[in-house]
Amino acid sequence: DADVTQTPRNRITKTGKRIMLECSQTKGHDRMYWYRQDPGLGLRLIYYSFDVKDINKGEISDGYSVSRQAQAKFSLSLESAIPNQTALYFCATSDHFRDATRKGQFFGPGTRLTVL
Amino acid sequence: AQTVTQSQPEMSVQEAETVTLSCTYDTSESDYYLFWYKQPPSRQMILVIRQEAYKQQNATENRFSVNFQKAAKSFSLKISDSQLGDAAMYFCAYRSDGDKIIFGKGTRLHILP
Repeated sequence: DADVTQTPRNRITKTGKRIMLECSQTKGHDRMYWYRQDPGLGLRLIYYSFDVKDINKGEISDGYSVSRQAQAKFSLSLESAIPNQTALYFCATSDHFRDATRKGQFFGPGTRLTVL
Repeated sequence: AQTVTQSQPEMSVQEAETVTLSCTYDTSESDYYLFWYKQPPSRQMILVIRQEAYKQQNATENRFSVNFQKAAKSFSLKISDSQLGDAAMYFCAYRSDGDKIIFGKGTRLHILP
């Protein structure tokens, strides 16, 4: 079974719709992240959470919100989707600092979102 | 702010040959960590190799090795004996104490049979 799962894997929606992307992990990690990948731009950090009560904005948080429902669950919401939010979205996890530096971040399989 | 630059959007290499992917970064910090991630067509992000800035010895993982030049802020990835399965997008990444990772824009590597 995958350690980091994302649902849905693919989603097509219309402008103005509310969308939620979900991420679950079985690694027992305390830190979780949401990234967005666009062609030619690499991965950019949207939000990150160091524990259930600690949520932080990343580089490109406008138009997004997150919820850390439990240590293992971190969801990303687009309240009113727009076409330029069409992208590949990744969830990632890491353990406390030293483990993370040895092992990096663990990524989910990605969600491809298309906003028409 | 830290930045990561990959100046080669695409590269090609003959199967069994060696290829080097370039990465430079900018930071004022002295303690940080560098990574190379591989993203094959499956979209999965896979950690290939990591390097701690305080270590002078270059990291190696089987056919993958890095050339870490701290003073020059350079962190290149060398792939030896290239295989068809190495074809992927490769991302260089920087991580500081703040635990956020900054990614380069990627280099797409093609393996020619």
